[in-house]
Amino acid sequence: QSALTQPASVSGSPGQSITISCTGTSSDVGGYNYVSWYQQHPGKAPKLMIYDVSNRPSGVSNRFSGSKSGNTASLTISGLQAEDEADYYCSSYTSSSTLAVFGTGTKVTVL
Amino acid sequence: QVQLVQSGAEVKKPGASVKVSCKASGYTFTSYGISWVRQAPGQGLEWMGWISAYNGNTNYAQKLQGRVTMTTDTSTSTAYMELRSLRSDDTAVYYCARALGFYYYYMDVWGKGTTVTVSS
Repeated sequence: QSALTQPASVSGSPGQSITISCTGTSSDVGGYNYVSWYQQHPGKAPKLMIYDVSNRPSGVSNRFSGSKSGNTASLTISGLQAEDEADYYCSSYTSSSTLAVFGTGTKVTVL
Repeated sequence: QVQLVQSGAEVKKPGASVKVSCKASGYTFTSYGISWVRQAPGQGLEWMGWISAYNGNTNYAQKLQGRVTMTTDTSTSTAYMELRSLRSDDTAVYYCARALGFYYYYMDVWGKGTTVTVSS
């Protein structure tokens, strides 16, 4: 099971919106509405931001939103803030024996 | 509050085994699964597998099959991950996380991580 494909880096200015893509196959992202997104600051544990493609856990800012089209899921951060600078990982259920797979990770830089 | 407290850092020699613990509190342990995720230095997240705290069912990442065992002790709300025949590329931070959703595919509460260093 190969990792899902994410861009290595995305950047934006404060207040702007950015979108991070996560591309898989019909065996994972494209086949099921079971995509989650995690934020990880340096030296810290990951934090769940989105689950089931577009659901936000309690306490997560509504500036974070998720969507999916075909084999690609996306995380959009609107009103970009300095505290959003972090690594972001997508994850998906997969019908392979592994059952779950992470993306390659995207470093978000706030200019 | 819901939290997962992991055991401390470990240094092991190649070929040895390591067992990391993860003590849960603040929720009904058997209502969720526990997933294990590792992160090698400077690398991304790697899903290792999960265990149902309800019935002990497990699912392991294919590349770790035969070397990893995940268990739980419901009497103490503690999960364990044992990795055997350690190699240098097993050096990583190991996270436990509360797992839920379809086939426990996502994780909503994470431990702080346990650093495992494999070195001769």
